[in-house]
Amino acid sequence: ILNVEQSPQSLHVQEGDSTNFTCSFPSSNFYALHWYRWETAKSPEALFVMTLNGDEKKKGQISATLNTKEGYSYLYIKGSQPEDSATYLCAPISGSARQLTFGSGTQLTVLP
Amino acid sequence: EAGVAQSPRYKIIEKRQSVAFWCNPISGHATLYWYQQILGQGPKLLIQFQNNGVVDDSQLPKDRFSAERLKGVDSTLKIQPAKLEDSAVYLCASSLDRTWGANYGYTFGSGTRLTVV
Repeated sequence: ILNVEQSPQSLHVQEGDSTNFTCSFPSSNFYALHWYRWETAKSPEALFVMTLNGDEKKKGQISATLNTKEGYSYLYIKGSQPEDSATYLCAPISGSARQLTFGSGTQLTVLP
Repeated sequence: EAGVAQSPRYKIIEKRQSVAFWCNPISGHATLYWYQQILGQGPKLLIQFQNNGVVDDSQLPKDRFSAERLKGVDSTLKIQPAKLEDSAVYLCASSLDRTWGANYGYTFGSGTRLTVV
């Protein structure tokens, strides 16, 4: 079973704050990493698919970086808004796994 | 484009009863996945279909869970008999890519929240 760790588990920030989360995974045999946003009562939504070491991707005020050599990815949100409140899931394919393995997520609450 | 459709949204059953979930993926998506998400954990893959063939069912508890994808379009997941520990959200996803959503990621449905009492 692939060990995927996301930190922090939960986070409360004020509207306008910038924040970031971490996803750690085995660095060996890396293939790809997905980030998803899952709002309550909605479907998980794909944010980024990352494959190359050093990848940086951006979607609006959300960006992500990838370090496959050390086995981590960061997700950044600049100027958080209440509508950014959601659980953010990362899912790498690495190590012995040939399928996405989801972390348990970071639950973000943005307070107005 | 219509999203991934799942039904029902919620289901409450007693232990030892049976239950079935339905999923209709995005048109043209050959790959379909069923995930189980237990509260506090990340989604866990139960089964992956490529068209109507099973690619990976290594984490499917086959003594009680079954899934099919007739004609390579919609799919059903069944639990019989249900146990208390099956209480979870069951997510269906589909992808256009043949290889792990390499370009576009997966498109998920809204899920079915199952409570076994």
